[in-house]
Amino acid sequence: NAGVMQNPRHLVRRRGQEARLRCSPMKGHSHVYWYRQLPEEGLKFMVYLQKENIIDESGMPKERFSAEFPKEGPSILRIQQVVRGDSAAYFCASSPRTVVSSYNEQFFGPGTRLTVL
Amino acid sequence: AQSVTQPDIHITVSEGASLELRCNYSYGATPYLFWYVQSPGQGLQLLLKYFSGDTLVQGIKGFEAEFKRSQSSFNLRKPSVHWSDAAEYFCAVGGHNAGNNRKLIWGLGTSLAVNP
Repeated sequence: NAGVMQNPRHLVRRRGQEARLRCSPMKGHSHVYWYRQLPEEGLKFMVYLQKENIIDESGMPKERFSAEFPKEGPSILRIQQVVRGDSAAYFCASSPRTVVSSYNEQFFGPGTRLTVL
Repeated sequence: AQSVTQPDIHITVSEGASLELRCNYSYGATPYLFWYVQSPGQGLQLLLKYFSGDTLVQGIKGFEAEFKRSQSSFNLRKPSVHWSDAAEYFCAVGGHNAGNNRKLIWGLGTSLAVNP
């Protein structure tokens, strides 16, 4: 059973370009989370999605950032008009369908390291 | 406010020595607590987790952690450190599935170096 897949592993963009980060959850998982890790910092929650729904986007910057998790295909984190401050490692995690009052482990992908020149 | 504090930014220990990494949390509901390890350039691997029950939990690679509600702490321990344990260690807290409690709140991490 393959783990969480993220691609590309490394992405270089110039200021003003768009960055598209992909995440394929583990088989059978229907919940996806995106986290950002800035240099010398811990991870910060960005967004939590289920298939075709954004459940919690409280950690997403208000502008330029968007995320989707379509019925078919991977989850996409899209950053428009990138700036140098967007340089970071972006991690995706997935978990299976859950029962209320329980908690399921989040399984992490290897991350995409975005560098903005 | 929900937060996780890892007071030690860097720790250096000798191989074979014991290890304790500190983690304190602030969380309004019943916390679910996690320790993850990140090797350089790699993703995050779960070491152990606490949901309920026995407050001393065992994890992979010989790690254990103890949940102390009165101290709001979840410190990670290992009796004898191996050189391969050198990595970044993150403590995280989350809630149960109701509402928006599924997201994990992270500490800033503790970087562990191991001397031969």
